[in-house]
Amino acid sequence: EVQLVESGGGLVQPGGSLRLSCAASGFTFNNYWMSWVRQAPGKGLEWVANIKQDGSEKYYVDSVKGRFTISRDNAKNSLFLQMNNLRAEDTAVYYCGRGTKDYWGQGTLVTVSS
Amino acid sequence: SYELTQPPSVSVSPGQTAGITCSGDALPKHYAFWYQQKPGQAPVLVINKDSERASGIPERFSGSSSGTTVTLTISGVQAEDEADYYCQSGDSSGTWVFGGGTKLTVL
Repeated sequence: EVQLVESGGGLVQPGGSLRLSCAASGFTFNNYWMSWVRQAPGKGLEWVANIKQDGSEKYYVDSVKGRFTISRDNAKNSLFLQMNNLRAEDTAVYYCGRGTKDYWGQGTLVTVSS
Repeated sequence: SYELTQPPSVSVSPGQTAGITCSGDALPKHYAFWYQQKPGQAPVLVINKDSERASGIPERFSGSSSGTTVTLTISGVQAEDEADYYCQSGDSSGTWVFGGGTKLTVL
């Protein structure tokens, strides 16, 4: 059974940092692109970042470029999102997903507030 | 980046057919995908690559494409189909974009 479990969310002050993790199981992790998508409270889905199977290609939405970094550890079947210089508008539930879009985790809430 | 435009809401009576459109200039060149999301839940892929029904999705869900518009059609709508629906596509730079979402109300 494919499972994606996010962790690492929480309350952080503006300008702070958080590192989200996504533990993958039930499939051959290094065969898939992986993605992060977020959803602000009461708002729609927003794509955040994609990473290729070997980590050689990474893409970001403009609003997080230079602040967020997507990475992966294929040996540990894990996906990460390092979020620096966080802003109030980054407050959202963050979902990790398989690049084929068919499996998503249940999300982890990030709240940026003083 | 570019935008995908969806109607904010669609209402339909049970048993009727609902159509949700998504428009974007790049859609003739890139596949569209449709997701269903119910309150408090993660999104669920319902349509893959314009018109392929995702695994486990009922046959009443279908997708089609014409020019710069793709359409999600739900035939014989059931109460359990009430949800938010999002289209999503990509571009040649490896990025994704989501439509603003459509709230489907089953009257």
